[in-house]
Parts: sequence; structure tokens; C-alpha cells
Amino acid sequence: DSGVTQTPKHLITATGQRVTLRCSPRSGDLSVYWYQQSLDQGLQFLIQYYNGEERAKGNILERFSAQQFPDLHSELNLSSLELGDSALYFCASSQRLGEDYGYTFGSGTRLTVV
Amino acid sequence: ILNVEQSPQSLHVQEGDSTNFTCSFPSSNFYALHWYRWETAKSPEALFVMTLNGDEKKKGRISATLNTKEGYSYLYIKGSQPEDSATYLCAFKVDSSYKLIFGSGTRLLVRP
Repeated sequence: DSGVTQTPKHLITATGQRVTLRCSPRSGDLSVYWYQQSLDQGLQFLIQYYNGEERAKGNILERFSAQQFPDLHSELNLSSLELGDSALYFCASSQRLGEDYGYTFGSGTRLTVV
Repeated sequence: ILNVEQSPQSLHVQEGDSTNFTCSFPSSNFYALHWYRWETAKSPEALFVMTLNGDEKKKGRISATLNTKEGYSYLYIKGSQPEDSATYLCAFKVDSSYKLIFGSGTRLLVRP
């Protein structure tokens, strides 16, 4: 157990629907990162939060949004889902800005859009 | 667009062989280079975080070197074991933006 908890582990939903993926960071970590891994692609950065505030944005679609709550857990909302959104979504956390200990990854949420 | 290139894409070796992979990254605006090990059905796990030119890190049979001036890092595995079979990812951090840009990984299979 890495200490980063992602739920659900698997999600199957239909096109056009909306889903919410949840991440609880490792205890003490203030930064949360969301990554997407599609078939045959590397990990693509979506968005980063630090202590409740958005810090960096990657190639995140407008249909996707995220937030980090006061208890530091984060949610990634995916709406108007398309077949191409099927992917493995990872959440990772790290300790503090300015200190680099490497990311701790959750086990991922596998999203299948049918 | 910042790209991180890893080679080879995949590698099959025999148990006991030593092997190495390459990670290439832009040499300007370097902040940190990370190596991760990603076993099938698990999540990526940090191996090394390297920040200084000339850095060498070691963990058991695995070691890594860093050359920030020319923009590359090598990961070495000495005496590969079947349990070393995994995808090895490197990731580059451009500055204090704290966003890691990942390469596509090198998939290692060690045959008993």
C-alpha cells in the first residue's frame, strides 16, 4: 500500500455520462497530481494541486475538471465522456513545494467508456 | 514542447545479464530527473530523484547517473533477476513548476 488511495479501481460507463474519480494523498503530502495513461501512451500530466490551490495544468480537456478539498483529498471530474477517454487515471502525491522526494502513486482508476 | 525520450522501448535479457537504459531530456532549464519502476498491475514506484550534474545514485543492484549538460541519464541493472521485470520510467522536471514530464518507458523482461 503506497499510502495514496484512489477510488474506484474500475469504472465502466456510457458515452455522454459524467464520473468522479477520487484520490486521498499520502498522509502529510500537500501536492496532488493527476495523470492519464491511454493505450500505448505514456503518462500524460493533467493537473496539479497544492494545498487546495491549482498549481499547474497540462493537456486537460475542458470537459475535465478537478479540485482539492481542505482535507487535501482531490477529485477529478470527467463529463460528456467519449470513447477516447477510456484510460488509466493515476493520482500521485508529494510532500511540499521546493522539496523533491519523488511522487507516490495510487493504484489508479481504470475507466472504460462504452 | 518538452519531450523525454527513453530507449530502448523494450528489452529482453537473460537472468544474470547486466543491462542499461537511456533517458534523454532537454538540457536547458533542468530542475530534477526522476526514475520510477512500474510493475504490471501495480503503480509506479520512485527509484531515484537526481538533481545535480554528475549525480550517481544506487539502490542495491540498480544505479543511475545524470548528465545535465548533455541531457541524459542512464539506469543500470547489474545481474538482472526475473523480479526486475518491469517498465522503467524516467521523468523530467523543468523548474519549480513541479510538473513531471514522463517518458514512455523501457519495458524490461528478464528470462529465468
